[in-house]
Amino acid sequence: QSALTQPASVSGSPGQSITISCTGTSSDVGSYNLVSWYQQHPGKAPKLMIYEGSKRPSGVSNRFSGSKSGNTASLTISGLQAEDEADYYCCSYAGSSTLGVFGGGTKLTVL
Amino acid sequence: EVQLVQSGAEVKKPGESLKISCKGSGYSFTSYWIGWVRQMPGKGLEWMGIIYPGDSDTRYSPSFQGQVTISADKSISTAYLQWSSLKASDTAMYYCARLRDSSFDYWGQGTLVTVSS
Repeated sequence: QSALTQPASVSGSPGQSITISCTGTSSDVGSYNLVSWYQQHPGKAPKLMIYEGSKRPSGVSNRFSGSKSGNTASLTISGLQAEDEADYYCCSYAGSSTLGVFGGGTKLTVL
Repeated sequence: EVQLVQSGAEVKKPGESLKISCKGSGYSFTSYWIGWVRQMPGKGLEWMGIIYPGDSDTRYSPSFQGQVTISADKSISTAYLQWSSLKASDTAMYYCARLRDSSFDYWGQGTLVTVSS
């Protein structure tokens, strides 16, 4: 099972919005509305930001939103802040044999 | 407060065995799957496998099947990840995390495993 495809890096200025894409296949992203997104700061454990494609856990800023179209999921961060600078990973359920698959990760730089 | 606390960093030689742990608290440990995620140095996250402590139902991602063993002791709310013969390529940070709604909602702090001769 190949990893989901994410851009290696994205950047934006404070206050702007950015979108990170996550492309899978009809066996994972396209088949299930079970994409999650994680934020990871250097040296820290990942943190859940979005689950089931578009739901935000309690405590996560509403500046973070998720969506899906076909085999591609997206994470949008609006009103960029310096603290948003981190690595972001998508993850999708991929069936009972494969279980789950992560994307390769995207480094977000806030200029 | 939900917490997953992992055992400390390990330095091992190739061929040695190892078992690392992940202790859950603040929730019903037997009611949620626990997963293990690998992060090799400078690389991304990888699904390894999951266990349901309630009945020890265990599932492995194809890439890790036969390479590691996942287990749990529900009496002490602890999940384990073990290797019978480590390789240099097992050098990585290993995270445990609670699985809920097909996503990992709480994570341990990570255990760094270094395998070097």
